[in-house]
Amino acid sequence: DAKTTQPPSMDCAEGRAANLPCNHSTISGNEYVYWYRQIHSQGPQYIIHGLKNNETNEMASLIITEDRKSSTLILPHATLRDTAVYYCIVRVGGGSNYKLTFGKGTLLTVNP
Amino acid sequence: DSGVTQTPKHLITATGQRVTLRCSPRSGDLSVYWYQQSLDQGLQFLIQYYNGEERAKGNILERFSAQQFPDLHSELNLSSLELGDSALYFCASSQTGGNTEAFFGQGTRLTVV
Repeated sequence: DAKTTQPPSMDCAEGRAANLPCNHSTISGNEYVYWYRQIHSQGPQYIIHGLKNNETNEMASLIITEDRKSSTLILPHATLRDTAVYYCIVRVGGGSNYKLTFGKGTLLTVNP
Repeated sequence: DSGVTQTPKHLITATGQRVTLRCSPRSGDLSVYWYQQSLDQGLQFLIQYYNGEERAKGNILERFSAQQFPDLHSELNLSSLELGDSALYFCASSQTGGNTEAFFGQGTRLTVV
């Protein structure tokens, strides 16, 4: 699976959009971009994933650049409960091997 | 609630002992994954089972073993425990693969004293 690079920490004001970047310059054509988050010592929580197109669900939006070498997770209206470590993961789709390799992620702190 | 159940939530045991952690996956999920999270190591993948068969292995110690039973629940066995094995152990489950997401349980916090 391709390696990802994320800033170690970010701050965001409550109610504002949080934009979390991720670089994955060695991503292959069949690799998906996944985002998970972990709120202090809880189990990681799936947020969203995508291959090429931008994706949106009830939690967030995922913007993937045209060359697929980077992506941005957008939380449109951050709340204090969104304070967590956010992980960007790249993995190959298909088959039954679903190993997720977590890096250090980005600690997002939402401030009142 | 992710639908993945892990028991027990907390476990305190002495060095040299053996413990078993249990995981019940979400209904319909065939794959189970185990992860270890200690303070200085982050989330480390240990092992994956798919429909009862081992499919992927990570940095799992020889003192650790796992299995997935016919009813798809899984157990992680940790033996000859050392102080350094103290960590959060997470189980996750997913459907048959492809581009499906994994859902994590709330973890078992193991403390070795």
